[in-house]
Amino acid sequence: AQTVTQSQPEMSVQEAETVTLSCTYDTSESNYYLFWYKQPPSRQMILVIRQEAYKQQNATENRFSVNFQKAAKSFSLKISDSQLGDTAMYFCAFLGSSNTGKLIFGQGTTLQVKP
Amino acid sequence: DVKVTQSSRYLVKRTGEKVFLECVQDMDHENMFWYRQDPGLGLRLIYFSYDVKMKEKGDIPEGYSVSREKKERFSLILESASTNQTSMYLCASSGPEGLADNEQFFGPGTRLTVL
Repeated sequence: AQTVTQSQPEMSVQEAETVTLSCTYDTSESNYYLFWYKQPPSRQMILVIRQEAYKQQNATENRFSVNFQKAAKSFSLKISDSQLGDTAMYFCAFLGSSNTGKLIFGQGTTLQVKP
Repeated sequence: DVKVTQSSRYLVKRTGEKVFLECVQDMDHENMFWYRQDPGLGLRLIYFSYDVKMKEKGDIPEGYSVSREKKERFSLILESASTNQTSMYLCASSGPEGLADNEQFFGPGTRLTVL
């Protein structure tokens, strides 16, 4: 069975600095997707970034980028130039070809951006 | 934009009551999901549906049932609420099966307290 692990329950960063959130996963599949979702306080969960396992190039969305290490089964999220609006809980998630659309989530990391 | 709505943001019920949580999406999505979110556990899948009147158990279906009579609406039912079902409940929807159309869109959540 696939598993997703986020080992950092809480993190903090100063505004304008860079922070990296860690995620590891376990799977025997070769084709899959990985996601980072953001859940701001009292607001809806939204997709931040997505990575397909077959693509060697790391995904980037503005200030958000990933470091995808397929052999190590590691998928970290880097937030550059952190902003107060980045304060949220971040979830790493896995979708395999055998999952019928079902995401497997990590435990979440609460990120606090300090002014 | 995809919109997923849930019938209540906050709900307080008594032990033994029958509880209905409603979710509606407006993007004609085939797949719909119910998760519960608990601190330190991330999101855990309760049930999902990939078509009208179709449903499949997720990882923690015990004590819950679901109904999907119309494509846009997916209901979660607690037949006899118990205190250990106090949690945040999130509904999500996504496009057809397959990795190509896999982003899940989330509702705002219902925080249920069972006394």
